[in-house]
Amino acid sequence: DAKTTQPNSMESNEEEPVHLPCNHSTISGTDYIHWYRQLPSQGPEYVIHGLTSNVNNRMASLAIAEDRKSSTLILHRATLRDAAVYYCILRANYGGSQGNLIFGKGTKLSVKP
Amino acid sequence: DTAVSQTPKYLVTQMGNDKSIKCEQNLGHDTMYWYKQDSKKFLKIMFSYNNKELIINETVPNRFSPKSPDKAHLNLHINSLELGDSAVYFCASSQGGDSTDTQYFGPGTRLTVL
Repeated sequence: DAKTTQPNSMESNEEEPVHLPCNHSTISGTDYIHWYRQLPSQGPEYVIHGLTSNVNNRMASLAIAEDRKSSTLILHRATLRDAAVYYCILRANYGGSQGNLIFGKGTKLSVKP
Repeated sequence: DTAVSQTPKYLVTQMGNDKSIKCEQNLGHDTMYWYKQDSKKFLKIMFSYNNKELIINETVPNRFSPKSPDKAHLNLHINSLELGDSAVYFCASSQGGDSTDTQYFGPGTRLTVL
């Protein structure tokens, strides 16, 4: 599986935008980029995913570089509830285990009031 | 209604015991998973299962076995518990199990082996 690299931690102020980077230089042409987050003492939850084009949903935006070797998760206005570990995950579109999520270390986001 | 539920939330037991963790999803999904999160917070897939196929992570000891009485349930049985089995176990489900599916996770079961 292609690997991702994320900063260990980031800080943000409440109500400011947050840009969480992810590098995935070995991404293959059919790998989807997924983002999940894990709030303290909870299970992971889906945030967003994309393949080539930028994506928006009610939680966040995903900006994907033209060469797809990096992506950025954008939280438009961070709230205290957004403090979590954010995982950038590549999912291969082949093989019997393509449904499995391979979690890395993620980025721990702290939000200051 | 909770989409993916697990019981118990906490489980404390002695080494050598056999225990089970139950998982239920009411989303009508076809695929269910078990993940393990160790003390260093790494989350790793253990199993994925639908009515056709069980895929086992090769690093999982055969003391761990998933059992699915029906499509909505995937229970995790652990035999001869060891200290290293202490972790938080998360159940998840998704509609199909392909690379675009969203997985929905349960709240986790914290297992402590003494």
